[in-house]
Amino acid sequence: DSGVTQTPKHLITATGQRVTLRCSPRSGDLSVYWYQQSLDQGLQFLIQYYNGEERAKGNILERFSAQQFPDLHSELNLSSLELGDSALYFCASSTILASYNEQFFGPGTRLTVL
Amino acid sequence: DAKTTQPNSMESNEEEPVHLPCNHSTISGTDYIHWYRQLPSQGPEYVIHGLTSNVNNRMASLAIAEDRKSSTLILHRATLRDAAVYYCILRATMDSNYQLIWGAGTKLIIKP
Repeated sequence: DSGVTQTPKHLITATGQRVTLRCSPRSGDLSVYWYQQSLDQGLQFLIQYYNGEERAKGNILERFSAQQFPDLHSELNLSSLELGDSALYFCASSTILASYNEQFFGPGTRLTVL
Repeated sequence: DAKTTQPNSMESNEEEPVHLPCNHSTISGTDYIHWYRQLPSQGPEYVIHGLTSNVNNRMASLAIAEDRKSSTLILHRATLRDAAVYYCILRATMDSNYQLIWGAGTKLIIKP
């Protein structure tokens, strides 16, 4: 158990819909990262927050957005969903800002868009 | 960003050492070499990282070539629980764009 929690574990929805994925980092971790993993692929970095502020953006679509709240939990919002958005979405956290620091990953949310 | 190249898959026998190679010929002087692994149906987990010198921890050892263009993750005595996809990743130390660039990784198969 990494200490990072993600909800829900599974999500099934239809094209065009909007969903929200939630992540609670390890206690004391200020940095949160979101990743997307499509079937049998490596992870694609989406976005990073540090202490409530966006710090880095990766390959995140304009239909996707995220935020980190004062209690440090983070939400990833996916809208106008398409079939290709079906994937595993992972959240990770780390203690400090620097990316060479170890990242702790949650169990992921499996999103299925029908 | 510098990229890494790993074999798609490797097989090893249980209780034998495993050497997982990674090529990173375009590595820059400030890039750390990270290894993560992903067990089936789980999130990735950190294994080890290093910059220039070889590194050891309770999970594995990391051997870094003198020119830093390649590295090898060493599992000293593989168990069935080590069956996973192993990712070799580079990340600049002071880069403000904090991305880990993940490749496809090496699927490690452990035979009993």
